[in-house]
Parts: sequence; C-alpha cells; structure tokens
Amino acid sequence: DQQVKQNSPSLSVQEGRISILNCDYTNSMFDYFLWYKKYPAEGPTFLISISSIKDKNEDGRFTVFLNKSAKHLSLHIVPSQPGDSAVYFCAASSQYKLSFGAGTTVTVRA
Amino acid sequence: GAGVSQTPSNKVTEKGKYVELRCDPISGHTALYWYRQSLGQGPEFLIYFQGTGAADDSGLPNDRFFAVRPEGSVSTLKIQRTERGDSAVYLCASSPGTGNSPLHFGNGTRLTVT
Repeated sequence: DQQVKQNSPSLSVQEGRISILNCDYTNSMFDYFLWYKKYPAEGPTFLISISSIKDKNEDGRFTVFLNKSAKHLSLHIVPSQPGDSAVYFCAASSQYKLSFGAGTTVTVRA
Repeated sequence: GAGVSQTPSNKVTEKGKYVELRCDPISGHTALYWYRQSLGQGPEFLIYFQGTGAADDSGLPNDRFFAVRPEGSVSTLKIQRTERGDSAVYLCASSPGTGNSPLHFGNGTRLTVT
C-alpha cells in the first residue's frame, strides 16, 4: 500500500533551467511533508519541508508547494546546477513515521 | 558535529547466517528509526524507538528481525537466519523526537546475502 507516489522515475534538465518534481499522496492524515536528496552510497539528506498549514515554503533555490485538496506537492529547483544531479525522495509524515516515494532521478545537463 | 554513524558499511553473509547492524545516532536525539531500501524503491519503515523502547515495530517483516536500543543511544538491528530477499541497504535515522522535525540519516549498511 504505497501512500506516497512519485510517478516520474527520472527527469533531465539543462543547467540553469527549472527542475519540477512532483509527488502525490493518499493519506489525508499526513501533516508534514519533506524532500530528501540522495547521492550514490550516501544516506538521504534533508532538503526542505512544509507543514500542512502552509501552501508554500522557500529556501534559496528550492521551493516546495503543497496542494492539500489535490493531495499533491511539488519541488521547484531554480536555477538547476550540476550538483543537483541526484535522486530526490518525497516523504510524508503522520505523527512520527515518514513514508517515502520511490524517488525521481534528476540529471542536470551542462 | 557528528552525524548518524552506521557500521559496517557493507556486509556480505551466507544464507542462514546471523547478522548485526549497528547505528550510532546524533548525540541527544531521542528518536531512532530503522528503514530498509531495496533497489529502485524508497526507504521502507521498519522500527521506531523513542528512548530505549520500541514505540512502533510494525514494519519489521517477520520474527527473524529484531532491534534493540538498551541505553537509549546506540541501536543494533539483528537478523536471524538470513535469506537472499533480505539483501538491501539498511538505513538508520535519528531526530530530536519533539514536534515535526526531519530525520537525519546515516549512510546505511549494504547487506548482501549469498
């Protein structure tokens, strides 16, 4: 029962352009949403989060948008840089437990 | 400061053997989690500790899996009678344990059962 879904397994974007990653969830009890970034042979690293009482949170080049009625969130990265090439995981939390999507591999082309 | 430390980074074992995976969380973090990540998938929840006690072990796949955290800091995930399907990356994470706060992950232990 996958409660968090990332339907795009991969995304290729040119350096300097915007990367948009999407995530859908099914559990209406989720109240905290996060994005993690993962490089090979490393653990996931926290990137940005948003509480269910907000619809947008921005941190530098990263912005997360939450649409609760659609049970959808997205991550915008602008401008995309070569170091952004990684796997991005969407995660959602109810109380203490995080549920993760399957990830989207982002490749930033020079 | 030091992050979450997991040892060993890689473990190869034969089917049927017993393995222990260790996690050293960030100092002061009361919440500790174990996740398992298979190829092409996101991390899957196994067990959650708040302090010394396992507050939620609903993700453990069967009774071959067991985890302890006797002093509320270091945790050990134990797998008995390993099977080839247990091969995965086992991730440990910790958090301060209060309110909504992100989990901080270690680099994981890659377990291969031959």
